[in-house]
Amino acid sequence: DSGVTQTPKHLITATGQRVTLRCSPRSGDLSVYWYQQSLDQGLQFLIQYYNGEERAKGNILERFSAQQFPDLHSELNLSSLELGDSALYFCASSGTGKSWTEAFFGQGTRLTVV
Amino acid sequence: AQKVTQAQTEISVVEKEDVTLDCVYETRDTTYYLFWYKQPPSGELVFLIRRNSFDEQNEISGRYSWNFQKSTSSFNFTITASQVVDSAVYFCALSDLSSGSARQLTFGSGTQLTVLP
Repeated sequence: DSGVTQTPKHLITATGQRVTLRCSPRSGDLSVYWYQQSLDQGLQFLIQYYNGEERAKGNILERFSAQQFPDLHSELNLSSLELGDSALYFCASSGTGKSWTEAFFGQGTRLTVV
Repeated sequence: AQKVTQAQTEISVVEKEDVTLDCVYETRDTTYYLFWYKQPPSGELVFLIRRNSFDEQNEISGRYSWNFQKSTSSFNFTITASQVVDSAVYFCALSDLSSGSARQLTFGSGTQLTVLP
């Protein structure tokens, strides 16, 4: 168990809808990362938050947004969903000092858009 | 920009054989970190190892070993005496400082390892 919790594990929704994925980082970790794993693009970085502030953006679509709350949990919001958004979405967290270099991943949320 | 290449898309071996998974990386930074993750059929990403760019010592952990060579920008992963439970997709990843203080990982495309009984 990595200590990173993602909910829900599975999500099926229709095109055009909006969903929210939730991530609770490991205790004490200030950084949260979101990644998307799709057949077309592989595993790619979407966005990072550090202690509530956006730190870095990757290949994240404008229809997607994220935030990190004061209790450090994070949510990834996906809107106007398309079939191509079907993917496995991972959250990872890392700490400070030596531990920042190890990113621990949650079990992922499998999103299916129909 | 950083890049990670795993040229082997799929590998099949028979149980007890040794297998090496290749990873070649590109980065302009002198300080960077390399990782290997395992993704079993259940889908989670399991951290296996982290190596920083200043430590070129090879590492062995049980049946797993890693060979880091800066001269060839490679970080290869060997499983000795493979077992059926080793069947998974293995990802090599890189984290460098090109993105400032951010620490996101750049992943390779993964190698699907199948170990046959």
